[in-house]
Amino acid sequence: DVKVTQSSRYLVKRTGEKVFLECVQDMDHENMFWYRQDPGLGLRLIYFSYDVKMKEKGDIPEGYSVSREKKERFSLILESASTNQTSMYLCASSLDSGANVLTFGAGSRLTVL
Amino acid sequence: AQSVTQPDIHITVSEGASLELRCNYSYGATPYLFWYVQSPGQGLQLLLKYFSGDTLVQGIKGFEAEFKRSQSSFNLRKPSVHWSDAAEYFCAVGATNFGNEKLTFGTGTRLTIIP
Repeated sequence: DVKVTQSSRYLVKRTGEKVFLECVQDMDHENMFWYRQDPGLGLRLIYFSYDVKMKEKGDIPEGYSVSREKKERFSLILESASTNQTSMYLCASSLDSGANVLTFGAGSRLTVL
Repeated sequence: AQSVTQPDIHITVSEGASLELRCNYSYGATPYLFWYVQSPGQGLQLLLKYFSGDTLVQGIKGFEAEFKRSQSSFNLRKPSVHWSDAAEYFCAVGATNFGNEKLTFGTGTRLTIIP
């Protein structure tokens, strides 16, 4: 089975800090995604990547950036964390088949104080 | 752009009773459709998917869903729920044009099971 690993399950940061959320997948998937999940809003796509060094904005990219230097790793960066970025962040990956089946990590819950 | 509506925020069902979770989508053609489940503190797990063909699809854990083009719906059903089915359920729609592999999710339905 594909495994998607998010290295930090829980983080607490202060306003203005730079935050890195790391995600690694182990099955050579082409596509990787970052979603944030908030109660009542479901999952909203922040950024996604079709290939190494490629990235595309999702629906809510403001305040975030991403990095994909290696195929298996997709990092989400909060340049200057704010309290409204307190959320659950979910990483996912999928094959480059157009079939859209996502495999998710367990999530990273970020609290910004 | 595609969109998904899950009209029920929270549903409570007795153990052993039947279940139906509603999902309506908006997309210009026949989309890819998915149901995912999220147990507390966990990521999302795929329950089932519809790509084409038979409109009634079977998934894991005894769930099924039916694609109804005329109603733009993809409702999830289970004939008899178990306490372990308590979770949050997300419907998602994916575009079928190449190069647009992202999914759009609904806001989720939280399922509570009472003994």
